[in-house]
Amino acid sequence: GQQVMQIPQYQHVQEGEDFTTYCNSSTTLSNIQWYKQRPGGHPVFLIQLVKSGEVKKQKRLTFQFGEAKKNSSLHITATQTTDVGTYFCAGRRTYKYIFGTGTRLKVLA
Amino acid sequence: GAGVSQSPSNKVTEKGKDVELRCDPISGHTALYWYRQSLGQGLEFLIYFQGNSAPDKSGLPSDRFSAERTGGSVSTLTIQRTQQEDSAVYLCASSLVDRGLQETQYFGPGTRLLVL
Repeated sequence: GQQVMQIPQYQHVQEGEDFTTYCNSSTTLSNIQWYKQRPGGHPVFLIQLVKSGEVKKQKRLTFQFGEAKKNSSLHITATQTTDVGTYFCAGRRTYKYIFGTGTRLKVLA
Repeated sequence: GAGVSQSPSNKVTEKGKDVELRCDPISGHTALYWYRQSLGQGLEFLIYFQGNSAPDKSGLPSDRFSAERTGGSVSTLTIQRTQQEDSAVYLCASSLVDRGLQETQYFGPGTRLLVL
């Protein structure tokens, strides 16, 4: 079936260190979105990538969409305690958004 | 403005009973999604509405699950004869595609369902 895998499942970093989560799909995606979910909260939209090879930046966050539109990454530079949460990618296939398994980030002060 | 709202926020029910979950999307949003999230897990797609029609029902786990949307607005997700494995947080999201073909899903706070 259609799957979107994310690695790593968990990541603990010291405040100020960088963090990257990777998302891989078994099938080509129309677009990919990234969401952040704080503990006890609901997912909040971060960004959407549509084009092959697209790179977008939001302050300390850099998002990439692979050339084959099957993989994506989110990189956070110099993490802060406010970055704590679970980061999900969501790949679009026809009408569906297939969410990745998520990467839970913990930032140690 | 008002975001996506869901009710009830929490629901405890006994195995075998029916439950109805409600989602009020953001006004004007034509697309509506239902997802299920088990503890510590990712989001599982259930169903998608464009207006009142559901072109993709493939995510519904069994025929005990059904959903409808009326007036292009409120949606209800009904689970009949609930089972313990139905326990999860049920999330609703609504979206609108803007001129740049950007689709942002706005999630509601979810309904936490516990089947005893």
